[in-house]
Amino acid sequence: EDQVTQSPEALRLQEGESSSLNCSYTVSGLRGLFWYRQDPGKGPEFLFTLYSAGEEKEKERLKATLTKKESFLHITAPKPEDSATYLCAVQPKGGSEKLVFGKGTKLTVNP
Amino acid sequence: GAVVSQHPSRVICKSGTSVKIECRSLDFQATTMFWYRQFPKQSLMLMATSNEGSKATYEQGVEKDKFLINHASLTLSTLTVTSAHPEDSSFYICSASQELWVYTFGSGTRLTVV
Repeated sequence: EDQVTQSPEALRLQEGESSSLNCSYTVSGLRGLFWYRQDPGKGPEFLFTLYSAGEEKEKERLKATLTKKESFLHITAPKPEDSATYLCAVQPKGGSEKLVFGKGTKLTVNP
Repeated sequence: GAVVSQHPSRVICKSGTSVKIECRSLDFQATTMFWYRQFPKQSLMLMATSNEGSKATYEQGVEKDKFLINHASLTLSTLTVTSAHPEDSSFYICSASQELWVYTFGSGTRLTVV
């Protein structure tokens, strides 16, 4: 069964304190791994898609990396506006476009 | 970029009544849309895949007679929760894809059944 586990469940950082979020996955075959940001009461906002091990993508203070078993979302010098829940999802290979999501990591950045 | 609009953002209904949620792709055509449900502190769970002009494909354990999906045009999909009960209270979110492997989500609908 395809599974996604995110850790930690919650993370509190001081402004400027860099850290990483983890997404471990098991999937029969990986078509893509997705990172989304979700604010309270809102739908997920797309951040990155990674397709193969060794791939990296960056956007402002965020950098996503991918290995064969996990992905990391690195946050460099975070700001309070980076506070949100970060969701990881995998899309297994096959005919379906289904995304399998983890429970997310709730990030709080204190000023 | 691609925008997916979802309406209403929140709705309260009485137990036993039906509620319709709309999902629109505003600036692109979507032959496929997806409906997810999210309970507090839980993952988004795919309920069904909505296909324009054909029947929806439901995930295992999702009652298709309770969650009616209609995808009548390339820009509109609707989810109707029939005979809603308190356990159906949840956050419902749709998504659509404008380009391959890029999925845009709506802002979600908070359903409360009293």
